[in-house]
Amino acid sequence: GDSVTQMEGPVTLSEEAFLTINCTYTATGYPSLFWYVQYPGEGLQLLLKATKADDKGSNKGFEATYRKETTSFHLEKGSVQVSDSAVYFCALSDRAGYSTLTFGKGTMLLVSP
Amino acid sequence: ETGVTQTPRHLVMGMTNKKSLKCEQHLGHNAMYWYKQSAKKPLELMFVYNFKEQTENNSVPSRFSPECPNSSHLFLHLHTLQPEDSALYLCASSPGTGDYNEQFFGPGTRLTVL
Repeated sequence: GDSVTQMEGPVTLSEEAFLTINCTYTATGYPSLFWYVQYPGEGLQLLLKATKADDKGSNKGFEATYRKETTSFHLEKGSVQVSDSAVYFCALSDRAGYSTLTFGKGTMLLVSP
Repeated sequence: ETGVTQTPRHLVMGMTNKKSLKCEQHLGHNAMYWYKQSAKKPLELMFVYNFKEQTENNSVPSRFSPECPNSSHLFLHLHTLQPEDSALYLCASSPGTGDYNEQFFGPGTRLTVL
């Protein structure tokens, strides 16, 4: 079945540091890939997405590139802020139409001033 | 109201109580979902409704009973829960069509079972 593997957290960084959160996936078809973010006390919000190989999703300074050859969708940001502290979830959707998402376990990011 | 709303935001109940969680989406979507989020575990999909019909039930215990009266509303009826059912329950919706589906989440209901 489908699965998503994320790096274990927490990831602890100083403000303005470079961020990478690794995500790899296993899927039978050609999935769409997502990063969701969950701020403390809130639900999940879509951060960015990519629907086919070599697509790059980007939003709020975050980027991730759909790499079919390595089955990866790593999240990056050049300069993190304290306000980026949250839990980040990588997910995939493997069907058209209504579809279920398969999530990774989430990676907590803590950014200190 | 915009997006996906959930009520109540917090709920404390005893094991013999009956309560209901409510979710409403104002996005015109056709599919709605219930997820359970427990500490240190991946999000667990519980139920999926597409055009008011239940299309998935991921082996959820019968003490959880979903109801979807229309495409905008989704309920989760709870009875005789166990302490291990304490978690954040998230509702989501998606358009239900297209090549992929972006799901929009509500803020969740934090449930504590005593």
